[in-house]
Amino acid sequence: GDSVTQMEGPVTLSEEAFLTINCTYTATGYPSLFWYVQYPGEGLQLLLKATKADDKGSNKGFEATYRKETTSFHLEKGSVQVSDSAVYFCALASGSARQLTFGSGTQLTVLP
Amino acid sequence: SAVISQKPSRDICQRGTSLTIQCQVDSQVTMMFWYRQQPGQSLTLIATANQGSEATYESGFVIDKFPISRPNLTFSTLTVSNMSPEDSSIYLCSVEFLAGDQETQYFGPGTRLLVL
Repeated sequence: GDSVTQMEGPVTLSEEAFLTINCTYTATGYPSLFWYVQYPGEGLQLLLKATKADDKGSNKGFEATYRKETTSFHLEKGSVQVSDSAVYFCALASGSARQLTFGSGTQLTVLP
Repeated sequence: SAVISQKPSRDICQRGTSLTIQCQVDSQVTMMFWYRQQPGQSLTLIATANQGSEATYESGFVIDKFPISRPNLTFSTLTVSNMSPEDSSIYLCSVEFLAGDQETQYFGPGTRLLVL
């Protein structure tokens, strides 16, 4: 079945550091890929998405590129802020299945 | 996207009781989903709720424990029945919208449930 593997957390960075959170997937066909973010005490917000190979999703300075050859969708940001502290979830939607398959989540803490 | 609200936002309940969680959307949507997020864990899909049909439950979830209603295109409820401490979780509803050329799920703020 479909699965998503995320980089183990927690991740702690200093403000303005470069962020990478790795995400790889296993799926039949050509899934759509998503990054969701969960700020403390809140629900999930869609951060960015990509629907086909080589697509780049971007939002709020975050980027992720759909790499079919490596089945990856790594999240990056060039300069993190304290306000980026949250849990980040990688997810996929595959084929005719409408439900999302989530990774385990990665806790990010950014220190001033 | 849409504005999705949930009630209650949080609750503390006694074991053996039941709690009904409401999910309201400000637009008509065909598909709604209910997820559970256990403490420190990722999200697990409980069921898919389409208006006008019975909810479809995922493996490990049954209707007697998690009955779902979907009376119209903007509203759904999830009941957590005969609760035990193991039901302490965040329960989230999501709806599916066409964003660009892709159906995308958007989530409500969640209901934080603690069972004593």
